[in-house]
Amino acid sequence: EVQLVESGGGLVQPGESLRLSCAASGFTISSHWLYWVRQAPGKGLEWVSRINSDGSSTWYADSVKGRFTISRDNAKNTLYLQMNSLRAEDTAVYYCVRDSSLLVWGKGTTVTVSS
Amino acid sequence: DIVMTQTPLSSPVTLGQPASISCRSSQSLVNSDGNTYLSWLQQRPGQPPRVLIYQISNRFSGVPDRFSGSGAGTDFTLKISRVEAEDVGVYYCTQTSQSPVTFGQGTRLEIK
Repeated sequence: EVQLVESGGGLVQPGESLRLSCAASGFTISSHWLYWVRQAPGKGLEWVSRINSDGSSTWYADSVKGRFTISRDNAKNTLYLQMNSLRAEDTAVYYCVRDSSLLVWGKGTTVTVSS
Repeated sequence: DIVMTQTPLSSPVTLGQPASISCRSSQSLVNSDGNTYLSWLQQRPGQPPRVLIYQISNRFSGVPDRFSGSGAGTDFTLKISRVEAEDVGVYYCTQTSQSPVTFGQGTRLEIK
């Protein structure tokens, strides 16, 4: 079964860091573009970042540029999101998503930034 | 950035009746590779989103055939031929043709 499982969320204070992971199973991530999409409580969907299949190119939403870093380890079949200088407005469920058509979604991991 | 505008934002529908959601993009979604990366997502209450339709009209694996997508250029439509109770939720259109990826505001489908 094709699956994406996010982890690493939690409660942090403003200015702190977190690293999210997304473990893939049932397929090999090396041939797929991967995305992070987030959803603030009661709000719509917001794209955060994407990475191409070999990790050589990355893109970021303006709201996270310079603070977040997307990366991948194809050998471990895992996607990452390093989040630094977290702000209250980064509070959201973070989803890992596969493919340029957003075909496969994980269940998400919750990040709460609050003092 | 490409703005995705959905109408209506709320759609009360009678069970067994059809439903339709429109999505308009502020620019053409035709990618440089010739494909149009317009997808429709469904988010049931308390669930993560899932894709229903990709590249305008392709139904994803396991999606009932009562869901269909159509359109071209900047105007796209999701149709449900006969609404069932399990279709309640929020529907989003999204474009991944250009960066940044953008989403519509979401349309809430509810049963009358």
